[in-house]
Amino acid sequence: EVQLVESGGGLVQPGGSLRLSCAASGFTFSSYWMGWVRQAPGKGLEWVANVKQDGSEKYYVDSVKGRFTISRDNAKNSLYLQMNSLRADDTAVYYCAREYIGVPWYRVDSWGQGTLVTVSS
Amino acid sequence: QSVLTQPPSVSAAPGQKVTISCSGSSSNIGNNYVSWYQQFPGTAPKLLIYEDNRRPSGIPDRFSGSKSGTSATLGITGLQTGDEADYYCGTWDSSLSAVFGGGTQLTVL
Repeated sequence: EVQLVESGGGLVQPGGSLRLSCAASGFTFSSYWMGWVRQAPGKGLEWVANVKQDGSEKYYVDSVKGRFTISRDNAKNSLYLQMNSLRADDTAVYYCAREYIGVPWYRVDSWGQGTLVTVSS
Repeated sequence: QSVLTQPPSVSAAPGQKVTISCSGSSSNIGNNYVSWYQQFPGTAPKLLIYEDNRRPSGIPDRFSGSKSGTSATLGITGLQTGDEADYYCGTWDSSLSAVFGGGTQLTVL
């Protein structure tokens, strides 16, 4: 059974930093693209970033470019999101996502339970 | 403002059929497969439809997907109260990012 378990969320002040982690199990982690999708309170889904199987390609939504860094450790079956210069509009539940990508294909076929990040003074 | 446009809400009676539209452009839906997700309050989304019209194992055939040009549609037949949820479409965009619709809240009256 595929399991994605996020951790690292919490309350942080504007301008602060936070590192999210996602522990994966039940599948060959190194064979999949992995990503982060967030959902602000009462709002829709917003894709944040993803990383290729070997870490050689990374893509970000414009609003986080230069502030967030996605990375992975295949030896530890783990995905990370380093978030710097956090703003109030980064407040959201952040989901770890197993992605299937290969133009024209895209889907998220497994989701974690989410971790809440609150940016507030 | 989401890249993909969905109606904020739809409603129908139990047993009836409902459709949810998702409109995009040639940079996303027009050249890539569409997936659909179901989300109940307080829970993570779940893949419902992928590659425009394919269902993962365990998804009943009451759920269907279709696509024409730069628009996609999710159809749900034989509506049940348990289908009340938010539904999102998603795809890849030529700007090298994934994009989702704003979501549609389904109410089964």
